[in-house]
Amino acid sequence: DIQMTQSPSTLSASIGDRVTITCRASQSIRSWLAWYQQKPGKAPKLLISKASSLESGVPPRFSGSGSGTEFTLTISSLQPDDFATYYCQQYNSYSPFTFGPGTKVDIK
Amino acid sequence: QLQLQESGPGLVKPSETLSLTCTVSGGSISTSKFYWGWIRQSPGKGLEWIGTIFYSGSTYDNPSLKSRLTMIVDTSKNQFSLKLSSVTAADTAVYYCARQGLVLVPGTVGPGSFDIWGQGTMVTVSS
Repeated sequence: DIQMTQSPSTLSASIGDRVTITCRASQSIRSWLAWYQQKPGKAPKLLISKASSLESGVPPRFSGSGSGTEFTLTISSLQPDDFATYYCQQYNSYSPFTFGPGTKVDIK
Repeated sequence: QLQLQESGPGLVKPSETLSLTCTVSGGSISTSKFYWGWIRQSPGKGLEWIGTIFYSGSTYDNPSLKSRLTMIVDTSKNQFSLKLSSVTAADTAVYYCARQGLVLVPGTVGPGSFDIWGQGTMVTVSS
């Protein structure tokens, strides 16, 4: 299995802050990485696919970068709606598809 | 717009079979452009991929669940379904169905990211 790790596990930030979350894969996944946002009691929402492709309707303050084994999700200016848990997911290998453990972004 | 809705019992007894159905509305499940997947999330925990099915019936299974997992697609009802046998308390989770896009790589095609999700349904395994 390809193991996914995320850092930090929790991030405390203020409105307007630039926030960066890191996701690492245990082996190369090329650019086959997605980022999701999940709020309590809700299903995850796809933000970014193929490491850096922003999904339609997602605010441009979200961006993704990286390839191989190291990836980042950046929120350029944190907004009140952005307090949530963020997950990365690899789809380079479907044996199995795997998610990171999540990064919770909360209010400082 | 496309919507997915999970349905099934919210309580299953240990050793029995968990059965869930995902109904797709606002679009056809019989498309070569997308796959259809199941993901679960145990209380307070992260996300675990269960399996994925194509409208043709071909499947991709999580090896950790493969021996207990059955997935089928019913194109006439625009639904796909999951059966997980011999459940234990460890199978207690919110179960989501989701649409998966295609990954197109020269020489191969496969499932990609999960772009549209159902709202999820809580399944508790308890006697």
